[in-house]
Amino acid sequence: DIQMTQSPSSLPASVGDRVTITCRASEYVSSYLNWYQQKPGKAPKVLIFAASKLLSGVPSRFSGSGSGTDFTLTISSLQPEDFATYYCHQSYSTPYTFGQGTRLEIK
Amino acid sequence: QVRLQESGPGLVKPSETLSLTCSFSGGSISSYYWTWIRQSPGKGLEWLAYIHVSGVTNYNPSFKSRVTISLDTSGSQFSLKLSSVTDADTAVYYCASIFWSGHPFIESWGQGTRVTVSS
Repeated sequence: DIQMTQSPSSLPASVGDRVTITCRASEYVSSYLNWYQQKPGKAPKVLIFAASKLLSGVPSRFSGSGSGTDFTLTISSLQPEDFATYYCHQSYSTPYTFGQGTRLEIK
Repeated sequence: QVRLQESGPGLVKPSETLSLTCSFSGGSISSYYWTWIRQSPGKGLEWLAYIHVSGVTNYNPSFKSRVTISLDTSGSQFSLKLSSVTDADTAVYYCASIFWSGHPFIESWGQGTRVTVSS
């Protein structure tokens, strides 16, 4: 199975900050990398697919980059509603696998 | 966008079979792959299986032969069966739709249903 490792596991930040979350795959996944946001008690919601494509309706402060094994999710200016847990997900090969999550918390 | 809703028992006894159903609406059955994912504090998010109306299925080998996914093409439902459950199968189970436009991603999720394995 392809292992997905996110860093950091938790990230204290303030409104207005620029934050970056990293996801590393244990094997090559090309650009088959997706990012999800999950709030407590809710299902995850896709933000970015194919490493860098923003889903329609997702604010432009979110961006993704990377290819191969190393990927990043960047939020350019944190808003109060962005405090949540973020997961990366590889859809290059089955079994699909997810990162362990990065919890974005209020500093 | 597709709307999905899980249903099934919230409590299952060890060694028994967990059975869940997902009802979906708002999307063409052939436009998506239909999938089950679970989430637990210990294991995080785990993909279990997917199915397409063409008959294609794909299972996570970690669950060996315990998992079965099926699709009711007439009723807009799909189901999950997980046999021989143990307490390690306690989790929130989500049904979801995979949009496959060259780069598959999980487009829509149900709200999730919590399943506890306990005697």
